[in-house]
This record gives sequence, C-alpha cells and structure tokens, in this order.
Amino acid sequence: GAVVSQHPSWVICKSGTSVKIECRSLDFQATTMFWYRQFPKQSLMLMATSNEGSKATYEQGVEKDKFLINHASLTLSTLTVTSAHPEDSSFYICSADLSSSYEQYFGPGTRLTVT
Amino acid sequence: EDQVTQSPEALRLQEGESSSLNCSYTVSGLRGLFWYRQDPGKGPEFLFTLYSAGEEKEKERLKATLTKKESFLHITAPKPEDSATYLCAVRNSGNTPLVFGKGTRLSVIA
Repeated sequence: GAVVSQHPSWVICKSGTSVKIECRSLDFQATTMFWYRQFPKQSLMLMATSNEGSKATYEQGVEKDKFLINHASLTLSTLTVTSAHPEDSSFYICSADLSSSYEQYFGPGTRLTVT
Repeated sequence: EDQVTQSPEALRLQEGESSSLNCSYTVSGLRGLFWYRQDPGKGPEFLFTLYSAGEEKEKERLKATLTKKESFLHITAPKPEDSATYLCAVRNSGNTPLVFGKGTRLSVIA
C-alpha cells in the first residue's frame, strides 16, 4: 500500500514552453502533497506544500508564477513549469501524506531537461 | 528551528561488515522520525517510522532505533544491493513538511 506515481518519468522540452507533471496517490487519499526539487548529489529541496482545494504554500525563493501547483482532488496534484529555461532542468519529486500516521510517501520522480 | 544532522556523510563497507548510521535531531514536539532509502535517479523509498524514544523497528538487514536526541540505522551483514543514500527526517506536527538531513551515502563492496 501507500503508492505514489508520477507522470511522466522524464521529459525533454524546448526553452520557453510549459511542462506539466502529475502526481497521484494510487491507493490512498492525500489531503496534502509536497513538491521537491533535487540537484545531482544533493538533498531534497522543498518547493511547495499543496493542499487539496486550496492554494499551495511556496517556500521562500520559489517563484509561484513559474511553478504552478494545482491540487484538484484527494489523489492528484500537478506541477506546471511555465516558460521553462535550461536552469529549470532538474529532478522533480512529489510526495503525499498518509494522514493517519504522519508518514509521507514519495513518487519515483520526473527528470526534466530543458534545451 | 527543527534540525537534522546525519553522519557520516559517506560510508564504505565490505560485504558482511556491519555498521550504524547516525541521525541527530532537534525538534519541537516530535511527531515522528522517518528513515528513507534513495537510489540514484529515484524517489526516496519509505523504510521506517519511529514515534517515541525506545522504539525499534526491523526490516531484513536493517534495524532503526530512537532515543530522545538521535536515531541509529543499524545495518547487519550488508550486501552490495544495500548501497544507496539513506535519509533521515523528522516531523513536528500533522501538516508541516518533513525536515531532512543531508543523507549518508552507503557503498557496500563485494
């Protein structure tokens, strides 16, 4: 149980285009989901907290107009990288809260490359 | 401010050589301490949750323990497939994000 999926697993896009990444909790409902970014050989960097039915809370330094987060249902959150640039290339990982236990389960990640 | 410090940063073991990873933490009202395993190019994989001092959890060659100030991840007779980065994190209330340590990169050599 407690499986989180992400789609796509990798994506290549051209500079200036937008990319949407989906995060789904497959076998549980998640009121809260989180989005992280990870650079090579570095730890996870929290980007934002996503609550179902309300606006996301962004960490300091994360541009909310560039990284649009929508948590439209208890099993789906999306991250849209708008007007992507090469510096947005990274590994993006989502996670979902299993509310009853405070445990957090992670998706497999999405590798974004902007050319 | 909640903080998590993991040591060592990197650990190289021979196959079968048991060892322990350390996670020291300061948190206002511990709700849970979590261990994850992360392989390169993948998301973290949940291993254990510990809720109170004295608690222990085991899974195959791994055993996690918790005191009021630190947690240990003991690896008994490791195998090469145990090579990964092990992450420790704490949580202080229901909806707050996890606070992660920087991880320990474990390499097990055959």
